[in-house]
Amino acid sequence: QKEVEQDPGPLSVPEGAIVSLNCTYSNSAFQYFMWYRQYSRKGPELLMYTYSSGNKEDGRFTAQVDKSSKYISLFIRDSQPSDSATYLCAMSGTNDYKLSFGAGTTVTVRA
Amino acid sequence: KAGVTQTPRYLIKTRGQQVTLSCSPISGHRSVSWYQQTPGQGLQFLFEYFSETQRNKGNFPGRFSGRQFSNSRSEMNVSTLELGDSALYLCASSLVQGAYETQYFGPGTRLLVL
Repeated sequence: QKEVEQDPGPLSVPEGAIVSLNCTYSNSAFQYFMWYRQYSRKGPELLMYTYSSGNKEDGRFTAQVDKSSKYISLFIRDSQPSDSATYLCAMSGTNDYKLSFGAGTTVTVRA
Repeated sequence: KAGVTQTPRYLIKTRGQQVTLSCSPISGHRSVSWYQQTPGQGLQFLFEYFSETQRNKGNFPGRFSGRQFSNSRSEMNVSTLELGDSALYLCASSLVQGAYETQYFGPGTRLLVL
């Protein structure tokens, strides 16, 4: 079993829809949770970072962490065709010096 | 501020050869990490360097090695290349802030082994 599980999709939604992405994990030592966006043939770009449990909002993006359930989510409101990309969850423990990634979910927003 | 740069961007090698990839971190960042990305295994951690010292290493064979220079630039080397080493190799740099480091990725070096 992988340390971080993420449904690879693909996920296709119409423009303006809410995109819901999630990851589960097994390592209870994880304290830092991130979402990265990766466009085709590019490096991952940091979208959101959350420490421990709770919600964080940044524009159209909302990240949620539920450590009791070992479950994290990313919501994209009013999705745009430019949001079409692969979304990767990543997490780390204290002084880990490394990130553990999910497989990535490929999202397509149809105009 | 300039982002993380990686050279070369694309590389074609044959089995048995060796390869060296280079990474220049964001100015002021002293931590550099390397990851391998493949369609089958996703993003996997290779190693991390801070102030020229390796602080963590992933589960890769000894053919994969790295180093960091005093200016924080880093190189990774893969010796005796195998077909399975074909991948996107990503470098990430971090500004160390307490127990957590926000990692910023470069565009990657795409390696094809024939």
